[in-house]
Amino acid sequence: KAGVTQTPRYLIKTRGQQVTLSCSPISGHRSVSWYQQTPGQGLQFLFEYFSETQRNKGNFPGRFSGRQFSNSRSEMNVSTLELGDSALYLCASSVQPGGGTEAFFGQGTRLTVV
Amino acid sequence: AQRVTQPEKLLSVFKGAPVELKCNYSYSGSPELFWYVQYSRQRLQLLLRHISRESIKGFTADLNKGETSFHLKKPFAQEEDSAMYYCALNAGGTSYGKLTFGQGTILTVHP
Repeated sequence: KAGVTQTPRYLIKTRGQQVTLSCSPISGHRSVSWYQQTPGQGLQFLFEYFSETQRNKGNFPGRFSGRQFSNSRSEMNVSTLELGDSALYLCASSVQPGGGTEAFFGQGTRLTVV
Repeated sequence: AQRVTQPEKLLSVFKGAPVELKCNYSYSGSPELFWYVQYSRQRLQLLLRHISRESIKGFTADLNKGETSFHLKKPFAQEEDSAMYYCALNAGGTSYGKLTFGQGTILTVHP
């Protein structure tokens, strides 16, 4: 079956703009998590959604937000972009939230803020 | 708060040599530990998790609660093992699916 799909794969935005990234989980997976990956900070948890509800949120400013739709697809939005938001954004899906459940990752969206 | 530390950013070994990637964690509860791997130009994928206690691609990892470690080991490294390896922790409970990752170790296996 198809893996986790993230679109777009690459984005270039200007400081101050906003951006929306999309994630389609594996069919049947209801939990979607988002991570930011940078060379300096590594992989950092942004938030997790399950059944359209945000279950957990990482330590990121309010400019970072997300949502999940009834078909489990998820979007994350970053407003008022800063140079430091340049990163690879990874989405992961799992059958259900909770420890021990394997997370399947997408290939990521590479965001560059100029 | 939980933390995962992978002390080696880079690790180089020769083919056939044993390899050990270190992972230490700090968390007061009973976490679940994972190793994820990212091969060149591929997506991040689960290698193994401590609760399953299985060997994948010859790799094993034992959770040592006394030393708060979850080191990844393989007795005979292969060139195809060259990749980035991440140790990750799930704190359970209301952490739901949140994973806390270490900084990663780049393993290079030389022929």
